[in-house]
Amino acid sequence: EVQLLESGGGLVQPGGSLRLSCAASGFTFSSYALSWVRQAPGKGLEWVSGISSSGAGTDYADSVKGRFTISRDNSKNTLYLQMNSLRAEDTAIYYCAKGFYNSGWHRFDYWGQGTLVTVSS
Amino acid sequence: QSALTQPASVSGSPGQSITISCTGTSSDVGGYNYVSWYQQHPGKAPKLMIYDVSNRPSGVSNRFSGSKSGNTASLTISGLQAEDEADYYCSSYTSSTTLVFGGGTKLTVL
Repeated sequence: EVQLLESGGGLVQPGGSLRLSCAASGFTFSSYALSWVRQAPGKGLEWVSGISSSGAGTDYADSVKGRFTISRDNSKNTLYLQMNSLRAEDTAIYYCAKGFYNSGWHRFDYWGQGTLVTVSS
Repeated sequence: QSALTQPASVSGSPGQSITISCTGTSSDVGGYNYVSWYQQHPGKAPKLMIYDVSNRPSGVSNRFSGSKSGNTASLTISGLQAEDEADYYCSSYTSSTTLVFGGGTKLTVL
């Protein structure tokens, strides 16, 4: 059974940093692209970033480019999102999502339950 | 990248059919057959219902179907059931190699 378990969320002050993790199991982690998708309270979904199976390819939404960094450790079956210079508008539930193939973020067949990030003073 | 346009809400009675539209541009919906639809119940993670415009993942009811014409994609749910009440989001790959979602549609089963 595919499982994605996010962690690392919490309350952080504006301008602060946070690192999210997503521990995966139930599939060959190193064979699939992964993404982070967020959802602000009461709002819609927003794709944040994606990374290819090897980690060589990454992409970001304009809203986080230059502030967030996606990475993965295939030896630990874990996906990461380093978030710097956080703003109030980054407040959201952050979901980890698995892609169909080793690259591309066209669609996601499995999602984690999410971790809440709150940016507030 | 602007969000795709979806109606804020739709409703239907049990047994009826409804259609949710998702309008983008030639740089996203119209340019690629990479439109997906997700169902999200309150407090839950999204669930993939349709991918690549009209394909259903294993386990998804055949009451759900997808299509596309030009820059507009559509999700049709036939034989509405109470458990279909949820939020629905479309998404599309874009020419910027990113992914864009629609604003979401709340489906109410009357």
